[in-house]
Amino acid sequence: SQKIEQNSEALNIQEGKTATLTCNYTNYSPAYLQWYRQDPGRGPVFLLLIRENEKEKRKERLKVTFDTTLKQSLFHITASQPADSATYLCALLTGGGNKLTFGTGTQLKVEL
Amino acid sequence: GAVVSQHPSWVICKSGTSVKIECRSLDFQATTMFWYRQFPKQSLMLMATSNEGSKATYEQGVEKDKFLINHASLTLSTLTVTSAHPEDSSFYICSARDYEQYFGPGTRLTVT
Repeated sequence: SQKIEQNSEALNIQEGKTATLTCNYTNYSPAYLQWYRQDPGRGPVFLLLIRENEKEKRKERLKVTFDTTLKQSLFHITASQPADSATYLCALLTGGGNKLTFGTGTQLKVEL
Repeated sequence: GAVVSQHPSWVICKSGTSVKIECRSLDFQATTMFWYRQFPKQSLMLMATSNEGSKATYEQGVEKDKFLINHASLTLSTLTVTSAHPEDSSFYICSARDYEQYFGPGTRLTVT
């Protein structure tokens, strides 16, 4: 069956450290993968997109890697801040490229 | 960036009644709109995809007679939950796409 899995347990880290979140998928062959941030009671906000032929993508303090052999993406936030505390979702474009399917999400808490 | 609005942001209704949620793309025309549902501490689950002027395509397990979707224009889609029951209580999020996909802020529905 098709699955998109993220760490179900919350990730607690100290301010200033690098947070690393994992997204693993099975039985998909996505052309690209996206990462979103979601705050409580709000809709998801797009952060980064990485294509299958890209190994790494960066945007300010964010870095995403994409390994289509391992079927895994890693999402890094460097120099983390309490304001980075949120749930982070990965998503794949599926259904012939017509719809986004989301992972289970990982809650990140950055502590002072 | 592009903005997607939803109205209302929250609604409480009695069991057996119907409730309508509006989704608007404010500064772009959306060729396709999507409706998602999110239960507490779970990820977004796609309910249906709609294109302007045509019938919505529902995901497996979603009752099309219960969740009526109307995509009357390139900037407006509505979701009507008919004969709502407490188990329909959830967070409903719409999304609109032109070249990229943008998400609304969500609508919290509580059925008492």
